[in-house]
Amino acid sequence: EVQLLESGGGLIQPGGSLRLSCEVSGFTVSSNYMSWVRQAPGKGLEWVSVIYSGGSTYYADSVKGRFTISRDNSKNTLYLRMNSLRAEDTALYYCARSSGYSSTWGAFDIWGQGTMVTVSS
Amino acid sequence: EIVLTQSPGTLSLSPGERVTLSCRASQSVSSNYLAWYQQKPGQAPRLLIYGASSRATGIPDRFSGSGSGTDFTLTISRLEPEDFAVYYCQQYGSSFTFGPGTKVDIK
Repeated sequence: EVQLLESGGGLIQPGGSLRLSCEVSGFTVSSNYMSWVRQAPGKGLEWVSVIYSGGSTYYADSVKGRFTISRDNSKNTLYLRMNSLRAEDTALYYCARSSGYSSTWGAFDIWGQGTMVTVSS
Repeated sequence: EIVLTQSPGTLSLSPGERVTLSCRASQSVSSNYLAWYQQKPGQAPRLLIYGASSRATGIPDRFSGSGSGTDFTLTISRLEPEDFAVYYCQQYGSSFTFGPGTKVDIK
C-alpha cells in the first residue's frame, strides 16, 4: 500500500529548530520527486521545497537559507530540517510525491496527512 | 514567480448544477503544466487534473480541465454532494505555485 507518514511537528519557540520526517511505503523515495507543501491554519497551500530523483533541491523564497530538504534512501524517508523558525512558519506540513516524468512530472499525486508545526512563544 | 489567481473566491451551488472554476496565471504556464486539486476539511488535497486536461487515476469523468497559456478552467458537469470542497490550481512549469483556492459550498 502506498503511504506517506509525516512526523516531527510540534510547538516550538521563534528562532528554534525542528526536523520533520516523512516515512514512505509502497514506492521508492529516491526514484521520485518529493516535496514539502504547507498550509497555514485556514489558509491555502504553499509549496516549500522539492528534492528531485537526481538529488537537486529547490526552495521557496520564504524558506531559502533556513530550511533543508533531504532523504535517506536506506530508510525510504524524506526530511525537512527547519531552522530559525518564525511565527509565519506555523502550518500543517505535508509531504507529497510527484512522478517526475511526462506531463504529470510536477503534479502531486500522493500526499501524507500532514504534521502540524506551531511557532509561538 | 508565476502568480495564480482563482475566481470566484466562493461559489454557492446546489447538487446537480454545472460548475466552472477559473485559474489565471500571471505569465504563460510552460507546456500547460497546470494541475487541479480538491481539498475537503481535515483532509489532504487530492489530485484531480494534471497537464491542464488529463484526469488523474480514479477521478470521475464529471471533472474536466481545459485551457492553455494563462487561462485554465476546471469544470464539474453535475455537482455531487461529495464535490463540495475547496479547489486549488497549481502550476509546475516554472517552480511550483498554487492559486488561493475556490470554495464550492452548498446553497
